[in-house]
Amino acid sequence: SQELEQSPQSLIVQEGKNLTINCTSSKTLYGLYWYKQKYGEGLIFLMMLQKGGEEKSHEKITAKLDEKKQQSSLHITASQPSHAGIYLCGADIGSGNTGKLIFGQGTTLQVKP
Amino acid sequence: KAGVTQTPRYLIKTRGQQVTLSCSPISGHRSVSWYQQTPGQGLQFLFEYFSETQRNKGNFPGRFSGRQFSNSRSEMNVSTLELGDSALYLCASSLEGVWGNSPLHFGNGTRLTVT
Repeated sequence: SQELEQSPQSLIVQEGKNLTINCTSSKTLYGLYWYKQKYGEGLIFLMMLQKGGEEKSHEKITAKLDEKKQQSSLHITASQPSHAGIYLCGADIGSGNTGKLIFGQGTTLQVKP
Repeated sequence: KAGVTQTPRYLIKTRGQQVTLSCSPISGHRSVSWYQQTPGQGLQFLFEYFSETQRNKGNFPGRFSGRQFSNSRSEMNVSTLELGDSALYLCASSLEGVWGNSPLHFGNGTRLTVT
């Protein structure tokens, strides 16, 4: 099983709708990173969360970290076609800082105009 | 500020050959990490270099190696290529790396196809 599970695996939403992507860890989280990827291209850094309860926003994207649940959520408000892509969460997990990121399998988002 | 630059963008090699991929980090970044991305395994950590020293290593065979130069530029080498090495290889640079809670900034990757 994956150490970092993302849900859902894929999502199709109508433009203007809100959506949430979840990222759950089976181990303690030491920093949680959200990235967006267009197919076959590099990852674009969105946000980094470090402390339990931390919440960050950038334009219409908000991410939260729930340390107790070992989970992070990414919420997009009023989705647009430009939000389409693959969203990946990455985290430093384990019994101590490992210095490397483990990534979830990604959530593919399609936004219908 | 220029982003992370990876060259070449695409590469086609034959089984048994070796390949070298190059990565130029963002100016001022001392940490360079390499990741392999495949449809089956997703993104997997290869190794990280910081100030010319390998600081961290993933679970890949010894055929995968890397190095970092004094200007922070990095190269990774794969020897005796296998079909399963076909993947998108991503380089990420960072001020201090994950150890220092610095975000990783990725390049556009090198798409390696082994035939």
